[in-house]
Amino acid sequence: SQKIEQNSEALNIQEGKTATLTCNYTNYSPAYLQWYRQDPGRGPVFLLLIRENEKEKRKERLKVTFDTTLKQSLFHITASQPADSATYLCALEGNAGNMLTFGGGTRLMVKP
Amino acid sequence: DADVTQTPRNRITKTGKRIMLECSQTKGHDRMYWYRQDPGLGLRLIYYSFDVKDINKGEISDGYSVSRQAQAKFSLSLESAIPNQTALYFCATAGTEGNQPQHFGDGTRLSIL
Repeated sequence: SQKIEQNSEALNIQEGKTATLTCNYTNYSPAYLQWYRQDPGRGPVFLLLIRENEKEKRKERLKVTFDTTLKQSLFHITASQPADSATYLCALEGNAGNMLTFGGGTRLMVKP
Repeated sequence: DADVTQTPRNRITKTGKRIMLECSQTKGHDRMYWYRQDPGLGLRLIYYSFDVKDINKGEISDGYSVSRQAQAKFSLSLESAIPNQTALYFCATAGTEGNQPQHFGDGTRLSIL
């Protein structure tokens, strides 16, 4: 069966460091991969989308990579800030059209 | 005002009761979705609708029903609530073009005693 894995343990890092979150998947051939941020008591908010033929996508301090051979996406936040503390969700989309399958999310804690 | 509004934000009810969760959007999107979120399990799709006349079951539709009253409104019903339906419920919308992001409401926290 299709499976998306994100590290369920919280990631704790120091302010100013680069945070790297991992999303691994099996039995899936996604056309697109999306990353969302979720704050407590709020709905997920879209951050970045990367296509299967793209290796890397950047937006300000955010960078996403997508390796379809390893079946893995990495999500980087450079120069992290306490305001970056949140849960980050990856979601995979096939070619059927805007049907997302979400991972369980990883909680990031950035300490001042 | 929020683009995707869910009501109520919190609800506590008893086993066997009928419950309706409502979602309205001002984004003008045709596609709407209902998810539930449980700790460690991520978001799981309950139902989705690609336009007013289109309703589709998602991964976990048993025990739920939906109604798409208009382009802007999509409601989720639990006909006879049971405790394992206690969860956080999210509504989302998306445009019709491919690979569009989904826009979420802030959720309904539902507790069934």
